[in-house]
Parts: sequence; C-alpha cells; structure tokens
Amino acid sequence: LAKTTQPISMDSYEGQEVNITCSHNNIATNDYITWYQQFPSQGPRFIIQGYKTKVTNEVASLFIPADRKSSTLSLPRVSLSDTAVYYCLVGGSSGNTPLVFGKGTRLSVIA
Amino acid sequence: NAGVTQTPKFQVLKTGQSMTLQCAQDMNHEYMSWYRQDPGMGLRLIHYSVGAGITDQGEVPNGYNVSRSTTEDFPLRLLSAAPSQTSVYFCASSPDRGRVGYTFGSGTRLTVV
Repeated sequence: LAKTTQPISMDSYEGQEVNITCSHNNIATNDYITWYQQFPSQGPRFIIQGYKTKVTNEVASLFIPADRKSSTLSLPRVSLSDTAVYYCLVGGSSGNTPLVFGKGTRLSVIA
Repeated sequence: NAGVTQTPKFQVLKTGQSMTLQCAQDMNHEYMSWYRQDPGMGLRLIHYSVGAGITDQGEVPNGYNVSRSTTEDFPLRLLSAAPSQTSVYFCASSPDRGRVGYTFGSGTRLTVV
C-alpha cells in the first residue's frame, strides 16, 4: 500500500492561501491521489482527486509534479470554516487494494 | 438520495456484549468499507468489500466481523465488546475503490464500559 507523509499541523490566517504537501514516494503507476477534509464529529468529505499535473475545482487546486512522488493541496483564501483535518490518500489502481488513511494534517485558521 | 446511512449514532455497551453497527447506501456502490477513528487519530481500516458476497480484512480486523449479502448493506459486528473498541466508526462507499471519491456516513460513536 502506498504510504503518505503529511505535516501533522499547520496554522494560517484568514484570507491567506494554504498549501499542504503530501509525500508518496512509492506511488504506483496507475494510482490516483485523493484529498479529503474532515470536520470534528463528521465523516471525511471528498475534496479533489488527480493523477498528474494540475486539477482545480470550486474548492481547491491539486498540484502533482511529473514524478508524482508528492502532491500539494492548495486552498485559496482560507476562512475560519476551513479549519479541519486534511487527508492525502494514494491508491485505486490495483484489484482489491483498499485505500488507507494516514494521520492527516490539522489546519487551524486564525482570525 | 440519502447517501450512506449509519445506525445507531451513539451506543454504550458493556464489556463482553455483542452488537451490530448498520451501514446502508442507496447509490448502488460496489465498494464499501468500515473505519474506526480514535480520539486525535486518523482513520484505520477494519474491513472492506468490493461487492456483494466478497469481504476482506483491513488494518485492524480483530474483534470484528462483516458480511455483504446485498449491494446496499454492509453491517459490522462486534463479537465481544472490549474497552479498546471504544471509538467512532465510519462506513464509506464508492462506485470504484479509488478512482472516484468515497462517500462517508456520519459515524457511530461507540463507548464500551
């Protein structure tokens, strides 16, 4: 299973852009990279998914370099409501291999 | 379209008791999984299923059983509850085991005393 490494925590002020980087050195050729957001007492929520280069949706952008050994989730102009834990997952390419969550990054947005 | 429904939302068990956590999805997703989340920790995979009649173990399967008789339902059974199983349990489903995002239920908070 592809293992991921993320910072344990990050702090940011409201209105700033936040970039959370995830390392996944043993990513398989057909693996996808997916990010989830989790608020306290709730289940994780899908944010964005990508395979290579850049993906953007209404919530975030995902940057993936050519070697795909890392990825960066970018949250533009964060607000207090973006305070949450963010998980990076890698997988989905092979047979029955399930996705495994790491410990995630706890983002605290400060007014 | 209710998504993933978990019941109950809260449960208190005595050590040694058994119970079943229910999970149902109405999206015709083939892939379903159970995670547990301890305070301040990430999610750990307990069991998963890639379709009706097929289940497999995750990272922490001991003390839990699952079955998948229908596409919609994926119950998790605690055989003999222990205090170490005090946790929040999340069920998730996906039409594909990784290429499309998972949909999570709202969780069951279980306390074993």
